[in-house]
Amino acid sequence: SQTIHQWPATLVQPVGSPLSLECTVEGTSNPNLYWYRQAAGRGLQLLFYSVGIGQISSEVPQNLSASRPQDRQFILSSKKLLLSDSGFYLCAWRVTGTGAYEQYFGPGTRLTVT
Amino acid sequence: AQSVAQPEDQVNVAEGNPLTVKCTYSVSGNPYLFWYVQYPNRGLQFLLKYITGDNLVKGSYGFEAEFNKSQTSFHLKKPSALVSDSALYFCAVRDLGNNRLAFGKGNQVVVIP
Repeated sequence: SQTIHQWPATLVQPVGSPLSLECTVEGTSNPNLYWYRQAAGRGLQLLFYSVGIGQISSEVPQNLSASRPQDRQFILSSKKLLLSDSGFYLCAWRVTGTGAYEQYFGPGTRLTVT
Repeated sequence: AQSVAQPEDQVNVAEGNPLTVKCTYSVSGNPYLFWYVQYPNRGLQFLLKYITGDNLVKGSYGFEAEFNKSQTSFHLKKPSALVSDSALYFCAVRDLGNNRLAFGKGNQVVVIP
């Protein structure tokens, strides 16, 4: 069966510090991968998605970036965090080539920028 | 672009009563519709989907959803709510032409003991 991992689970970082959040998926190959941010416990904002290694689509211009160095690894980064980067970050994956479009989410990372 | 609307911010229901969470959609072509649930400080969990076929779709934890093409709705239902069903519920639609889902704003469900 497939499993998705995210770490760390919680993170407190000062303004201006760098960020690296990691997401890995097990039990599937060539998944589509997604990074979302959820502010104030409600709506989801799609930040990035990837259809393959090194292929990143950015949905919202901001000081975040994403990379996919391996098939099942997706990394969210920032060189300098802003207060507005605080939120709940969710990674998701979906299987490709089957006509199934539902996404499966990881447990999330709670980021607080102070 | 495809979109969904969840008109209510919060739904309060007594334990044991039927639960309905509303969702309407706007798409060009045939809709691919989904429901997710999120418990506090957790990721979203997939409940069910409608692609084609029977308008009544059954999912996890006793939930079901009814697809209504004439009303462009996809309401989530549960015959008898449990306190443990208190959570945030998201409706979503496949965004045609790309690999994304468009999510609604979410509905907070509170089941009162």
